[in-house]
Amino acid sequence: QVQLQESGPGLVKPSETLSLTCTVSGYSISTGYYWGWIRQPPGKGLEWIGYIYRSGSSYYNPSLKSRVTISVDTSRNQFSLKLSSVTAADTAVYYCARDTGTYFDIFDYWGQGTLVTVSS
Amino acid sequence: QSALTQPPSASGSPGQSVTISCTGTSSDVGGYNSVSWYQQHPGKAPKLMIFEVNKRPSGVPDRFSGSKSGNTASLTVSGLQAEDEADYYCSSYAGSNSLVFGGGTKLTVL
Repeated sequence: QVQLQESGPGLVKPSETLSLTCTVSGYSISTGYYWGWIRQPPGKGLEWIGYIYRSGSSYYNPSLKSRVTISVDTSRNQFSLKLSSVTAADTAVYYCARDTGTYFDIFDYWGQGTLVTVSS
Repeated sequence: QSALTQPPSASGSPGQSVTISCTGTSSDVGGYNSVSWYQQHPGKAPKLMIFEVNKRPSGVPDRFSGSKSGNTASLTVSGLQAEDEADYYCSSYAGSNSLVFGGGTKLTVL
């Protein structure tokens, strides 16, 4: 059974960098598929942040592209998210997920999500 | 890249059918057969219910079906059950290696 688990600080100060890691079990990232991050502000809808492939090829939401970096560590079967210069608007539940779609459109396994609050 | 448009709410009585729409443009919904639907219960992660417009993952009841016409995709839930009460989100490939979600629809089972 494929499982994903997000980890990282639950509180980040404004202007600092948010860093999260997703640990995958039950499937090797080296095998294939894209691996993505999605966020959901409290009481609001889902927002796609970006994806990464085992090779390190990554694609980002244009609205966040200047602040986002997604990386992969196949030896640890993990991928990570960094979001710089955060503000209160970045407060959200952050999910990692596996994407099996040809067009990056099928998130079939999700982590439980982790709430990150941006506040001083 | 704008969010897809979904009605904020939808409702139906047990046993009835309800359809939720998801409207985009020719650059996303209308341009690709890459529409997915997710169900999200409060405090839980989203769950994939429909992919590639009308395909169901293993384990999803056949009461859930998807379709698309032009720039609008639809999710139909037939034979409504209490456990279907949740938020539903559509998503679509939007070209240039990007994805866009809908704003979400809260489905209430009366």
